[in-house]
Amino acid sequence: EDQVTQSPEALRLQEGESSSLNCSYTVSGLRGLFWYRQDPGKGPEFLFTLYSAGEEKEKERLKATLTKKESFLHITAPKPEDSATYLCAVQAPTGTASKLTFGTGTRLQVTL
Amino acid sequence: KAGVTQTPRYLIKTRGQQVTLSCSPISGHRSVSWYQQTPGQGLQFLFEYFSETQRNKGNFPGRFSGRQFSNSRSEMNVSTLELGDSALYLCASSSPPGEQYFGPGTRLTVT
Repeated sequence: EDQVTQSPEALRLQEGESSSLNCSYTVSGLRGLFWYRQDPGKGPEFLFTLYSAGEEKEKERLKATLTKKESFLHITAPKPEDSATYLCAVQAPTGTASKLTFGTGTRLQVTL
Repeated sequence: KAGVTQTPRYLIKTRGQQVTLSCSPISGHRSVSWYQQTPGQGLQFLFEYFSETQRNKGNFPGRFSGRQFSNSRSEMNVSTLELGDSALYLCASSSPPGEQYFGPGTRLTVT
């Protein structure tokens, strides 16, 4: 069974204090690894897709990386508006269908 | 391009009732997936529809069902509601299967 574990559960950073969020996964045949951001009361907002080990993607202060067992979301010089829950999900091929298996997320709070 | 829309946004039902939630995917997207999000379990996959056919189903009881129409709009139905069905129900669309874009969700409260 596909499994995704995210750590830490919660993280509090001061503005400008860089850090990394971890996503460890177990899946039979990774089709893709996804990062989402979710604000309270809203649906997840798509950030990145990573498909193969060694791949990296960047967007503003966020950078996602992928190895064969885990993914990291690096946050450089965060701002208060980066506060949200960050979700990691894996997609495994099941015939022609697909579904996402999510981790429980990391709640990030960035303070002034 | 308009995003995924879900209606209603909020719903309050009593135990034993049934409920129908609606999802309109992004124009051109033919795959629609449904997820349940609760504080204890996080996001859990319910089912996926593509071209009006259910292609995959999660580990939920038969009280949870869905369908997709020819215009790719989808509905999910929950019958005989239980207190534990209180959750945020999220719909996501994609085309082809890859990045899934989520709607704002329907917050269901069962009393």
